[in-house]
Amino acid sequence: EDKVVQSPLSLVVHEGDTVTLNCSYEVTNFRSLLWYKQEKKAPTFLFMLTSSGIEKKSGRLSSILDKKELFSILNITATQTGDSAVYLCAVGPYNTDKLIFGTGTRLQVFP
Amino acid sequence: GAVVSQHPSRVICKSGTSVKIECRSLDFQATTMFWYRQFPKKSLMLMATSNEGSKATYEQGVEKDKFLINHASLTLSTLTVTSAHPEDSSFYICSAWTGVDTQYFGPGTRLTVL
Repeated sequence: EDKVVQSPLSLVVHEGDTVTLNCSYEVTNFRSLLWYKQEKKAPTFLFMLTSSGIEKKSGRLSSILDKKELFSILNITATQTGDSAVYLCAVGPYNTDKLIFGTGTRLQVFP
Repeated sequence: GAVVSQHPSRVICKSGTSVKIECRSLDFQATTMFWYRQFPKKSLMLMATSNEGSKATYEQGVEKDKFLINHASLTLSTLTVTSAHPEDSSFYICSAWTGVDTQYFGPGTRLTVL
């Protein structure tokens, strides 16, 4: 059965800290891994990763994929209170348009 | 970027009534739209995959007669919750597939059934 596991489930940090969120997966015929940020409404897209070892970066956020070890990490440096959200990892298999979501990591950043 | 809208954003209804939720892709055509349900502090649960002009494909455990999905055009899909009950109260989110790899999500609809 395909599954996506995220850790930790929740994280509480102070502004300025750096955090690393983990996502491991077991999926038949992997196509892509996506990271989303969800605040009070629907998820917003952050990154899509398809190749191992190539870091994607956007401001203070970066992510990398390891297709051999079947995991990805999302790094956030110099965290701000606006980074507080649930971060969702999703994996897309080749044979379908569906995404399989992990349970998410709830990040809380305090001033 | 791709924009997906949902309407209404919030609805409160009485038990036994039906509620229709619309999902529109505003600046692109979506051959495939997805409907998710999300309970508080839980992840997204895929309910069904909606393809334009054909019947929706429902996930295991999702009642197709209760959650009617129609994908009448390349920019519009609707989810109708029929004979709603309090246990149907949830956050319903649609997404549209651009034809590449990324799904873009609508803002969600919070349904409360009294």
